[in-house]
Amino acid sequence: AQKITQTQPGMFVQEKEAVTLDCTYDTSDQSYGLFWYKQPSSGEMIFLIYQGSYDEQNATEGRYSLNFQKARKSANLVISASQLGDSAMYFCAMRETVIKAAGNKLTFGGGTRVLVKP
Amino acid sequence: DADVTQTPRNRITKTGKRIMLECSQTKGHDRMYWYRQDPGLGLRLIYYSFDVKDINKGEISDGYSVSRQAQAKFSLSLESAIPNQTALYFCATSAASGRSHEQYFGPGTRLTVT
Repeated sequence: AQKITQTQPGMFVQEKEAVTLDCTYDTSDQSYGLFWYKQPSSGEMIFLIYQGSYDEQNATEGRYSLNFQKARKSANLVISASQLGDSAMYFCAMRETVIKAAGNKLTFGGGTRVLVKP
Repeated sequence: DADVTQTPRNRITKTGKRIMLECSQTKGHDRMYWYRQDPGLGLRLIYYSFDVKDINKGEISDGYSVSRQAQAKFSLSLESAIPNQTALYFCATSAASGRSHEQYFGPGTRLTVT
């Protein structure tokens, strides 16, 4: 079964507007972490934001915020005031448990391509 | 200098050849990972290592082997390359402690098997 689902293969957003990227996940663990990574056309993976399953507040990092709805198992990324440099692939990922046996492995979704229009 | 480096950055090889991709890190992390990314898809885990003596298979380990030569070095080998191993390969590291256990990725190696 798919553990991380990103249903939006591609999105256009106007420069300076906000965009929400959807991510739903499936786990039976109580302790897990959710990540968003950005992959520009150059190919590198850039960490954006992290949300722990026990965190009471939604994570924020500059223009990035994570809308965490635990009961719905969703962890949507919101990018505010989009910039041309935000054009990239965005991946949602989950780390299911911290114990050694799991090794902090990340499971990735299929990604959403964002294109910011001037 | 980058914390996680990968060599080579690009490689074209022929079917049946043995090839090694190398990863080095200066972050002092114990845990290292190899992922592959196919076009339009997310990353999938090939192998991971907790430390020099502890190596584990990921979800797509068939056709690959790894070697953890030192805490800072983790190599991925394709024993007999085949065209469907054409992909972008990433090495990553993470600390064993800390809040997020965030993984830090290398720049990637683009491998083409003809």
